Amino acid sequence: AQKVTQAQTEISVVEKEDVTLDCVYETRDTTYYLFWYKQPPSGELVFLIRRNSFDEQNEISGRYSWNFQKSTSSFNFTITASQVVDSAVYFCALSLSGNTPLVFGKGTRLSVIA
Amino acid sequence: EAGVAQSPRYKIIEKRQSVAFWCNPISGHATLYWYQQILGQGPKLLIQFQNNGVVDDSQLPKDRFSAERLKGVDSTLKIQPAKLEDSAVYLCASSLTGQTNQPQHFGDGTRLSIL
Repeated sequence: AQKVTQAQTEISVVEKEDVTLDCVYETRDTTYYLFWYKQPPSGELVFLIRRNSFDEQNEISGRYSWNFQKSTSSFNFTITASQVVDSAVYFCALSLSGNTPLVFGKGTRLSVIA
Repeated sequence: EAGVAQSPRYKIIEKRQSVAFWCNPISGHATLYWYQQILGQGPKLLIQFQNNGVVDDSQLPKDRFSAERLKGVDSTLKIQPAKLEDSAVYLCASSLTGQTNQPQHFGDGTRLSIL
């Protein structure tokens, strides 16, 4: 069975600080996909990134970056120079290849204070 | 392009009553998902449709929950009778093909409160 653990329930930072959200996953499959979603107070889940298990290259998109390490089964998410608009709940999720559902972690609530 | 539309946005009912939620996916998306998100947890899949056929309903409490997608477009999710533990946000999502390389796009959800 697949499992995603986000150990940080809530994080609070001051604007412009960097913050890293941790994600640890479990699966016995060698082919899988990892995702991050953002859920702002309005409630919708916004897709941020998808990585497959064969691509361990780190990715940067503006102030967002992701560190995928198969050796530690982790897929961490860093926001550089955080802004108040980054305040949201962030979910890490795992899916096997093909037509399989997403398995979500419990989420990390990030509060960025001005 | 228009996103996934859901209604109602909020619903409050008493236990043992029935309730229905509606979802209109992104145009052209063959796969539709219903998730249940209990407060403080991540979303959990209830049912997945591919066009108008069910792909996965293994976690749907079939004694009280039902869902349909008759014409392969809109979908409704029904709870009858509702229990207190059904209080949650019900999220609808759609994707182009259902394959993992296609991201799921989510609606705003319906927040259900059971009194």
